[in-house]
Amino acid sequence: TQLLEQSPQFLSIQEGENLTVYCNSSSVFSSLQWYRQEPGEGPVLLVTVVTGGEVKKLKRLTFQFGDARKDSSLHITAAQPGDTGLYLCAGFMNRDDKIIFGKGTRLHILP
Amino acid sequence: KAGVTQTPRYLIKTRGQQVTLSCSPISGHRSVSWYQQTPGQGLQFLFEYFSETQRNKGNFPGRFSGRQFSNSRSEMNVSTLELGDSALYLCASSWGAVAREQYFGPGTRLTVT
Repeated sequence: TQLLEQSPQFLSIQEGENLTVYCNSSSVFSSLQWYRQEPGEGPVLLVTVVTGGEVKKLKRLTFQFGDARKDSSLHITAAQPGDTGLYLCAGFMNRDDKIIFGKGTRLHILP
Repeated sequence: KAGVTQTPRYLIKTRGQQVTLSCSPISGHRSVSWYQQTPGQGLQFLFEYFSETQRNKGNFPGRFSGRQFSNSRSEMNVSTLELGDSALYLCASSWGAVAREQYFGPGTRLTVT
């Protein structure tokens, strides 16, 4: 069974702090996406990483794909209340033509 | 460009009934996937349709079915509803590129009583 483990499951921190959430698997992925979901809405795509070791930045968010393309991390600098939400990672496998989602990290930023 | 739309947004059904949910993808997207999201299991893949053909299927019982029309719009049907089918059902479209990025609709919240 192919699994994507996300950690931590829950994270509550003060505004202005930095944080990192992780997405790990024993499987190799062709690409990996990060999504953010807010209550009552569907997930919204934040970024796609394709190359092992790739780093992408989206304002205060930094995404990294592991060298072996089995894991990824999302680092948020100076977190703001607007960053609150459920962060989901999803791995895509070319050979199976399948997408696997992790269960997510629920992030709450306290003002 | 309009996003993915899903109807209805909320639905309450009784155990044993059946339900049909509808999804209109982003214009130009030919792939439509359906997911079930619950607090305990997270986002679970139901099936994917591409050009009116089911391309992939998740591990759900046969009570869950779907179809896609020539205009790429898709419907999913759940027959003989069970209490455990209460969930947020999400539809996502993709234009079928290699990266397979998913663009989600707002979901249909189904409650089975």
